[in-house]
Amino acid sequence: NAGVTQTPKFQVLKTGQSMTLQCAQDMNHEYMSWYRQDPGMGLRLIHYSVGAGITDQGEVPNGYNVSRSTTEDFPLRLLSAAPSQTSVYFCASSRTSGRMRSYEQYFGPGTRLTVT
Amino acid sequence: KQEVTQIPAALSVPEGENLVLNCSFTDSAIYNLQWFRQDPGKGLTSLLLIQSSQREQTSGRLNASLDKSSGRSTLYIAASQPGDSATYLCAVTQDDNYGQNFVFGPGTRLSVLP
Repeated sequence: NAGVTQTPKFQVLKTGQSMTLQCAQDMNHEYMSWYRQDPGMGLRLIHYSVGAGITDQGEVPNGYNVSRSTTEDFPLRLLSAAPSQTSVYFCASSRTSGRMRSYEQYFGPGTRLTVT
Repeated sequence: KQEVTQIPAALSVPEGENLVLNCSFTDSAIYNLQWFRQDPGKGLTSLLLIQSSQREQTSGRLNASLDKSSGRSTLYIAASQPGDSATYLCAVTQDDNYGQNFVFGPGTRLSVLP
């Protein structure tokens, strides 16, 4: 079990460039999400998905796009990178919560993105 | 809007001490609360998950308690070790359809000195 994997580990972009951050999990988890972590602001939710074909916005979705064509993969696309998107990006996954219980979430190692 | 705070922001203790980290949240309608550990430059490792119906969870030297009505959780670390040095984050999920979108606190940076 590799758990949650993210690529690349580091990336430097110029303003206006686009790129895709990859996230994959091999635990057959329905729920996946993307967070960004900025100093002094903690982690904030960008987008999430409760299953293949279903995505929704989190707290800070502007400038990012997601899709979920398979259970395993949940890529995050930066459409036109801006310096404000310099951050550390984390992907997470879990089984879908039910009314009787919820499940632990597992995080990937992160992608450090710098936009110049 | 849910807000999560953690006190203290940083803590330095000698090895062997017992310590308590605090987490407060403004909206008591949470679904669950999870404590994480983050080592510098690394991802988050789940430590303990407390369902909203539970009062506490224990794992080894760690014990987390939850008081939903007062909007508080504490993480107790017994007999601290230098390997416990890390940032500790608490996060809550809301009682919505999925109860899985976290609101994170800013973290407590812990240093345990040998």
